[in-house]
Amino acid sequence: DAKTTQPPSMDCAEGRAANLPCNHSTISGNEYVYWYRQIHSQGPQYIIHGLKNNETNEMASLIITEDRKSSTLILPHATLRDTAVYYCIDNFPTTGGGNKLTFGTGTQLKVEL
Amino acid sequence: DTAVSQTPKYLVTQMGNDKSIKCEQNLGHDTMYWYKQDSKKFLKIMFSYNNKELIINETVPNRFSPKSPDKAHLNLHINSLELGDSAVYFCASSLSGTLSPLHFGNGTRLTVT
Repeated sequence: DAKTTQPPSMDCAEGRAANLPCNHSTISGNEYVYWYRQIHSQGPQYIIHGLKNNETNEMASLIITEDRKSSTLILPHATLRDTAVYYCIDNFPTTGGGNKLTFGTGTQLKVEL
Repeated sequence: DTAVSQTPKYLVTQMGNDKSIKCEQNLGHDTMYWYKQDSKKFLKIMFSYNNKELIINETVPNRFSPKSPDKAHLNLHINSLELGDSAVYFCASSLSGTLSPLHFGNGTRLTVT
């Protein structure tokens, strides 16, 4: 079962920032927080990951609380194409062990005009 | 230049038949996966292969048999198909022992009638 909890759905106006929260209160010290999204009828797409520092890439920013029990994915200027289910996953990749990502139910983000 | 490609995209077949889904990745990854997404949209790992060796098997029925002829290919063969096998099957790949994310294909929608 997934070890993270997310709100089932959120709405966002196009052009505004979308802030998607995630609780991962049982995350262990060496586990990273990964975010993926799944646009309708496509495979999941990697967005960003982090351990304890805030991270930013061309797609999004990831803010992780100091106690690492929660995080927020920020899409700074949401567009209609960002409408998707967003998954927050805690994971530690192992050599030769594969990345057994356990997907929860995610947050359905709907970006509207 | 599709990174992870699956064939076929759609597969409709009758109960009791045997079918195969093929997956290929051109990312140079050493680990490949099969995930199943059911009608309720839950995405669950089925198998993972690292360097052609099975490393994750999530208590999938014996009717499902993955085969990895080389690091770039992971095929899924399903015997005696049942109605409950209807789902979208996603192939993915990654580089083990690193923080690199999983790259997913766009799925194979299997419908068993």
